[in-house]
Amino acid sequence: AQTVTQSQPEMSVQEAETVTLSCTYDTSESDYYLFWYKQPPSRQMILVIRQEAYKQQNATENRFSVNFQKAAKSFSLKISDSQLGDAAMYFCAEGETSGSRLTFGEGTQLTVNP
Amino acid sequence: DAGVIQSPRHEVTEMGQEVTLRCKPISGHDYLFWYRQTMMRGLELLIYFNNNVPIDDSGMPEDRFSAKMPNASFSTLKIQPSEPRDSAVYFCASSPLAGGRYNEQFFGPGTRLTVL
Repeated sequence: AQTVTQSQPEMSVQEAETVTLSCTYDTSESDYYLFWYKQPPSRQMILVIRQEAYKQQNATENRFSVNFQKAAKSFSLKISDSQLGDAAMYFCAEGETSGSRLTFGEGTQLTVNP
Repeated sequence: DAGVIQSPRHEVTEMGQEVTLRCKPISGHDYLFWYRQTMMRGLELLIYFNNNVPIDDSGMPEDRFSAKMPNASFSTLKIQPSEPRDSAVYFCASSPLAGGRYNEQFFGPGTRLTVL
């Protein structure tokens, strides 16, 4: 069974600084996808960034980038130039290609201090 | 597209009552998922459908929970009878995966259920 672990229940960062959220996972699949979702106070789940396991290059979306270490089964999210609007709960998730289910981590609550 | 639509957004009911949550997926999406989010257990997958057929319902907590997808544009999650421990936010999500490789899920706004 797939498992996703986020070891940081809470993180904080100063506005304009950089923060890294950690995620590790375990899967028996050889091909899979990894995601970071953001959940602001509105509760809406918003996809932040995705990574295909077969790609070695780390995904980047504007201020968001990942450090994907396949051998270590690690998938961290780096947020550069943090903004107040980045404050939210962040979930790491792993998805199979053989099916379509996602397994989510416990979440990391990010606070951005002005 | 309007995105995934869920109704109601908030539901308050009394223990023992029947509760029905509704979801309209994004048009053309082949997969539909029901999740439950609580502080204690995080995000849990309850059940998912492919082309209106239930594929995996192993996450459904008890027989009190049932889900249906009578057509490609509508699904319901029913709890009968409801209990206070069912209080949670219930999300519906849909995915465009159809023989492809990429399985991004698009989430609805959720239904906050409170059972008194």
